[in-house]
Amino acid sequence: GAVVSQHPSRVICKSGTSVKIECRSLDFQATTMFWYRQFPKQSLMLMATSNEGSKATYEQGVEKDKFLINHASLTLSTLTVTSAHPEDSSFYICSARDPGSQPQHFGDGTRLSIL
Amino acid sequence: QKEVEQDPGPLSVPEGAIVSLNCTYSNSAFQYFMWYRQYSRKGPELLMYTYSSGNKEDGRFTAQVDKSSKYISLFIRDSQPSDSATYLCAMRTGGFKTIFGAGTRLFVKA
Repeated sequence: GAVVSQHPSRVICKSGTSVKIECRSLDFQATTMFWYRQFPKQSLMLMATSNEGSKATYEQGVEKDKFLINHASLTLSTLTVTSAHPEDSSFYICSARDPGSQPQHFGDGTRLSIL
Repeated sequence: QKEVEQDPGPLSVPEGAIVSLNCTYSNSAFQYFMWYRQYSRKGPELLMYTYSSGNKEDGRFTAQVDKSSKYISLFIRDSQPSDSATYLCAMRTGGFKTIFGAGTRLFVKA
């Protein structure tokens, strides 16, 4: 069964709206979660690494004021796309790594469409 | 040069064929190697995970790691239409950051 739950799976909203995406680890405590963006037929692009209880680490070129990340507990990280515009439309995927094992487990992604 | 190179395909095979998917990499410090399967509009699903060199088998899937050649492979035996998906290789050092290949799109025709 799924070990990482991501919600919502689909969002359609107007330009200027802020959108929050939640990522939960279900069976383990994740001190670190990851947020990716994926364009059609392309691979995953790491946006930021979310650390529980501290600030997220953003990859080069990712606007931290645009993509707000909060990792308030060991099982929940949120990504808020602030004042979203059509160019922010994409597939956003979170992942978490179980400290007891090595590989990351992914959520099912959120398809964001900004009109 | 990208750290991880993966042919994006598409790769089209008949049902029952043996599929070979490959990645090459440049960073000799990579220790952990993964293969993920991603269906359209879904998140990647972990298929295989190996540490260092060697082979690992799980049902119809076999993962191989050749660190001397910096080359990893995933073999799918008796391929099925349900195996049609994008397959992503991934690898990392002992740290947190995982590097993904571009993904190979596989189509298995009935």
